[in-house]
Amino acid sequence: EDKVVQSPLSLVVHEGDTVTLNCSYEVTNFRSLLWYKQEKKAPTFLFMLTSSGIEKKSGRLSSILDKKELFSILNITATQTGDSAIYLCAFTVSGGGADGLTFGKGTHLIIQP
Amino acid sequence: NAGVTQTPKFRILKIGQSMTLQCTQDMNHNYMYWYRQDPGMGLKLIYYSVGAGITDKGEVPNGYNVSRSTTEDFPLRLELAAPSQTSVYFCASTPSGTYGYTFGSGTRLTVV
Repeated sequence: EDKVVQSPLSLVVHEGDTVTLNCSYEVTNFRSLLWYKQEKKAPTFLFMLTSSGIEKKSGRLSSILDKKELFSILNITATQTGDSAIYLCAFTVSGGGADGLTFGKGTHLIIQP
Repeated sequence: NAGVTQTPKFRILKIGQSMTLQCTQDMNHNYMYWYRQDPGMGLKLIYYSVGAGITDKGEVPNGYNVSRSTTEDFPLRLELAAPSQTSVYFCASTPSGTYGYTFGSGTRLTVV
């Protein structure tokens, strides 16, 4: 069965700290891995990764995919209270289907002032 | 652009009642999805559609029905509400099925 495991499930750090969130997956016909940030409402897109070893960056956030070891990490440097959210990872599969995203349970990140 | 619009935002149902959650997108996306999210869990796929007139079951379809008569609309129907259907429901659309997912703001449903 295809699945996504995120760790840790929750994390509390102080403002200014650096955090690393983990996402491992088991899937046949892997196509892409996506990271989302979810605050009060709908998930908002952060990154999509398809190639192994290529880092995607956006400001203080970065992510990388290891297709051999089947995991991805999301790094946030110099954390701010506005980074407090649930971070979700999900994958899509290739093969012509359109059966959406398969999500992990998420990491609940709390940044304390 | 409105993107993906869901209504209502909140609803309380009694056990056994029925209701329809509305989802409309104005981006001409072919692919549309319904997810539910329970506390402490990721999103689970209920149903999806690859175009008007075509729907298919996701991971957790029991207790729900969908239809897709137009490209824009993808309503989700609960026929006999049960407490296990208390959840937050998200509708999403994408042009391709592989990227560019746009989510609606969600419907918080409580069944009592």
